[in-house]
Amino acid sequence: KQEVTQIPAALSVPEGENLVLNCSFTDSAIYNLQWFRQDPGKGLTSLLLIQSSQREQTSGRLNASLDKSSGRSTLYIAASQPGDSATYLCAVLNAGNNRKLIWGLGTSLAVNP
Amino acid sequence: NAGVTQTPKFRILKIGQSMTLQCTQDMNHNYMYWYRQDPGMGLKLIYYSVGAGITDKGEVPNGYNVSRSTTEDFPLRLELAAPSQTSVYFCASSGSGTGASPLHFGNGTRLTVT
Repeated sequence: KQEVTQIPAALSVPEGENLVLNCSFTDSAIYNLQWFRQDPGKGLTSLLLIQSSQREQTSGRLNASLDKSSGRSTLYIAASQPGDSATYLCAVLNAGNNRKLIWGLGTSLAVNP
Repeated sequence: NAGVTQTPKFRILKIGQSMTLQCTQDMNHNYMYWYRQDPGMGLKLIYYSVGAGITDKGEVPNGYNVSRSTTEDFPLRLELAAPSQTSVYFCASSGSGTGASPLHFGNGTRLTVT
């Protein structure tokens, strides 16, 4: 059974730091992995989607990598800003007939000015 | 574009009451989903639809019903509200069910059942 774990559950950093959020999954048979951002009281916004055949995706200051064999993905945020404060969730889409999106619980990030 | 719009934003129900959570999208997406989000539990799929007239159960469908009469709208119905249905409900849509395109979420409906 696929399980998705995100560590740490919460992170507080000063503005300007480069930081890494981690997502691990137990079954490497995935179709893709997505990273989302959730602001308090709001819905989720898709940040990056990495297909299983890809190793990384970049968007602005965000870079997500995927290592299927080790069951890990990292979200790298460069030069963090207070506006990056939010909860970041990852979700994996299982491959095969039972194509199901499995969610992590998220990392709550606070970037302090 | 408005994207995915959910109404209402907040609602308090008494046990046994019924209500419909509305969801509409203007992106012409075939795939639509209802999730609930509970603290410490992650997102759970309630129902989904792959196109107008087609719906299917997700992980936690008990106590809910859906319909999909148009591509744009995917309402979620609670018939007999129970305290266990206190949650934040999110509607989402995507252009592809294979996961090749990202999910677009509404801002959620916060429901309390007392």
